[in-house]
Amino acid sequence: ETGVTQSPTHLIKTRGQQVTLRCSSQSGHNTVSWYQQALGQGPQFIFQYYREEENGRGNFPPRFSGLQFPNYSSELNVNALELDDSALYLCASSLQGLETQYFGPGTRLLVL
Amino acid sequence: DAKTTQPPSMDCAEGRAANLPCNHSTISGNEYVYWYRQIHSQGPQYIIHGLKNNETNEMASLIITEDRKSSTLILPHATLRDTAVYYCIVRLNNAGNMLTFGGGTRLMVKP
Repeated sequence: ETGVTQSPTHLIKTRGQQVTLRCSSQSGHNTVSWYQQALGQGPQFIFQYYREEENGRGNFPPRFSGLQFPNYSSELNVNALELDDSALYLCASSLQGLETQYFGPGTRLLVL
Repeated sequence: DAKTTQPPSMDCAEGRAANLPCNHSTISGNEYVYWYRQIHSQGPQYIIHGLKNNETNEMASLIITEDRKSSTLILPHATLRDTAVYYCIVRLNNAGNMLTFGGGTRLMVKP
């Protein structure tokens, strides 16, 4: 059984740029959730995707967007990067109906 | 989802049991108690969850009080690798699937 994987592991961008982060869900899982974790804080829910549709969203602006593909992998896109977007971005997969979420190792984004 | 209260930090001697408490006095009847941990700079790791009954798996035991207003995560024989931030989360088990993380308890296992 393959766990949740994320790429890249680290990324440096400058303010105003756009970034795409990728997540492959655990084998058999059809739901992907994204979280942002600022330094020293707990993860904050961004949104969730199920059957390629957004299925719930946290308090994040529209410049945070996502996609889910037929193979259940997912992308998180952030436009017009701000310094405060520097964080660890976590992806978690689950099986709809069995609600335990399993997290990937995260992508650490630094915005300069 | 109900709020949880955890002590910000705890120490435990290696080899001893680590007992991590969590208060969730406003929990509703259909909300589950979940525990995750996060080792430095890694993604959160699922540990265990339960509704009413005590639960045990290969990692830990979860003891939920009869009134469900508090719970305790027990690591029976803590090792140095158990040093992490432990999060207690109370949530409904339905679609939407959001986890609301609080501050957690920073457990330091000492030799």
